[in-house]
Formats: sequence, C-alpha cells, structure tokens
Amino acid sequence: QLVLTQSPSASASLGASVKLTCTLSSGYRRNAIAWHQQQPEKGPRFLMKLNSDGSHAKGDGIPDRFSGSSSGAERYLTISSLQSEDEADYYCQTWDTGIRVFGGGTKLTVL
Amino acid sequence: EVQVMESGGDLVQPGRCLRLSCTGSGFTFGDHAMTWVRQVPGKGLEWIGFIRRKADGGTTEYAASVKGRFTISRDDSKSIAYLQMNSLTTEDTAVYYCSRDFGGISDYWGQGTLVTVSS
Repeated sequence: QLVLTQSPSASASLGASVKLTCTLSSGYRRNAIAWHQQQPEKGPRFLMKLNSDGSHAKGDGIPDRFSGSSSGAERYLTISSLQSEDEADYYCQTWDTGIRVFGGGTKLTVL
Repeated sequence: EVQVMESGGDLVQPGRCLRLSCTGSGFTFGDHAMTWVRQVPGKGLEWIGFIRRKADGGTTEYAASVKGRFTISRDDSKSIAYLQMNSLTTEDTAVYYCSRDFGGISDYWGQGTLVTVSS
C-alpha cells in the first residue's frame, strides 16, 4: 500500500535552516514526489517535484532557499535562511496508477 | 499565467447534492488531467479523485471514501471540470480544491471553495 509518512511538526529559528522528511512506503522507494506549501488560511502551493535521484524541478517563483534531496525511500525538503512567511504546513504527494496520495503534513514553526 | 479557480461551495443539508466547478485558464485545459482534493478544517489534504484528459480516455478514479457518491466530469470547450457530490453527509464538510495534474502531481492549485453540510 502506498503511504507517505511525515513528522507532524518541526521548528527552527529565523534565519536558520530546516530539513523536512517524507518517507515512502515499502515497494515505492523509486517514486518521485511533490512538495507543497500551505500557508495559514491559503490554498496549497506547489514547491517542487523531487525525483529519487535527488533531481528536482521547482514551481513558478519558488526561491532558491527551497531545495530537495533524496536518499532511499526518504525525500527531503530543505529550507534555508528561514523567514517568517515560511511558517506553514508542508505536504508531500505521490502517485500510482489510479491514485494520488498525500502525506499527513508537517507543521513548521519559525521561532 | 496558469490559474485554477473553484466555485460552487455552499451550505447544504445532509442527503442533498451539490456540484462544484473548476475553471482553468492560461493553459490548454484539455491537455491535462484534473484532480480534486479536500481538506477538513484543521486537518490534512485528502485526495478524492481525478479525471484523465480525453487523449488518455477521459476516465475517472476516486478515493474509496467518495466512490459511488461523487462524480467528476469535464467540458474542455469551457475549460471546466466538475465535481458532482451526492448523498452528502456532515463528514463531507471541507474546503474543496481543484488542481492541474502534471504527471501524477498537482502543479497548480485553486484557492478552494467551502462546502458545509449541516441541517
């Protein structure tokens, strides 16, 4: 069964870096994923598509502070030089034939 | 500029039906599958279904939670995708989002439309 697992929460200080993790279930470690950001009271925003080899393609206007990497079944989103507007929920997404799947989301707090 | 916009959210009574619309602009609508996602207030994103582009058969897929009650359709001449929701229950109360599907991921999202199911 295709499942994405995310930690419910993370925190980091203003100006620091943070690395969020999304873990693919067994049998799907080669899947690419997408990372999405959802700021409070807003709709989701596509950040990037992240492949199993760590290559990634960002969405329109996504700053260089956002980057992605991969290792095995883990997909990472790194945000550097944290700003207050980065405080948001972050969701990963993937797919298989006939389905789309979202992780439970990580709430990022910028201290 | 690519844009996606949902409309049609409303307050409806349990057991009733509602149809949401998703209008795309700034891209060739017929070249893309379109996905519907919902979010219960305070909760995470839940995929509910998508419709393939006509070139891929125009067929639909649904999450188990809505299969048999919800139907997705599309009118490429109007650049609109529809979500027909029948037999609504209070558990269907959520913000409903539409997104453009690009190879299995949602690459453009709407701002959402609120559906409240309550007597």
